[in-house]
Amino acid sequence: DAKTTQPTSMDCAEGRAANLPCNHSTISGNEYVYWYRQIHSQGPQYIIHGLKNNETNEMASLIITEDRKSSTLILPHATLRDTAVYYCIVRPSNAGGTSYGKLTFGQGTILTVHP
Amino acid sequence: DAMVIQNPRYQVTQFGKPVTLSCSQTLNHNVMYWYQQKSSQAPKLLFHYYDKDFNNEADTPDNFQSRRPNTSFCFLDIRSPGLGDAAMYLCATSRGWGPGSEAFFGQGTRLTVV
Repeated sequence: DAKTTQPTSMDCAEGRAANLPCNHSTISGNEYVYWYRQIHSQGPQYIIHGLKNNETNEMASLIITEDRKSSTLILPHATLRDTAVYYCIVRPSNAGGTSYGKLTFGQGTILTVHP
Repeated sequence: DAMVIQNPRYQVTQFGKPVTLSCSQTLNHNVMYWYQQKSSQAPKLLFHYYDKDFNNEADTPDNFQSRRPNTSFCFLDIRSPGLGDAAMYLCATSRGWGPGSEAFFGQGTRLTVV
């Protein structure tokens, strides 16, 4: 499985954009990048995923570099409720192999949004 | 409305006394997962089902078992809980494996072993 590297923690001011980086330098061509977040004492919540194109939804934007070795999750206008642990996950999508389809969490980034 | 429901939210059990945690889903998803999350750690996958096909992670202790009697329900059985099994247990579902099959998580069951 490709592994991911994320900063342990980040701070952001309320109302500003939060840019969370993720390094996945060993990603394979068939692997997608997924982002989840976990607010304290809750289950993880899906945010967004992508393969090679940039993606945007109502929660966030995902920017993937052309070589696919890193990505950035962007929360355009962070609020206090965005304080959470953010997980970047590389997920295989091809059939076959023991890791097919599994979601394996790394340590994530603790994002703290300040007033 | 909650789509992945875990009961109970909090469970206290005695050392060595078998305990069962339950998970139900209203999404009719094929895949169900069980994760263990200890304090200040990331969720760790224990096992998963694709329909009735069961897949155990290589490092999941034998003390942990699972049952999926039908699409909607999945159970985690801990045969002889030790103090080290105290954790949050998370259930998740997904439609399948491919892109777009994002996982939906329940609120978790926090297990305390006394």
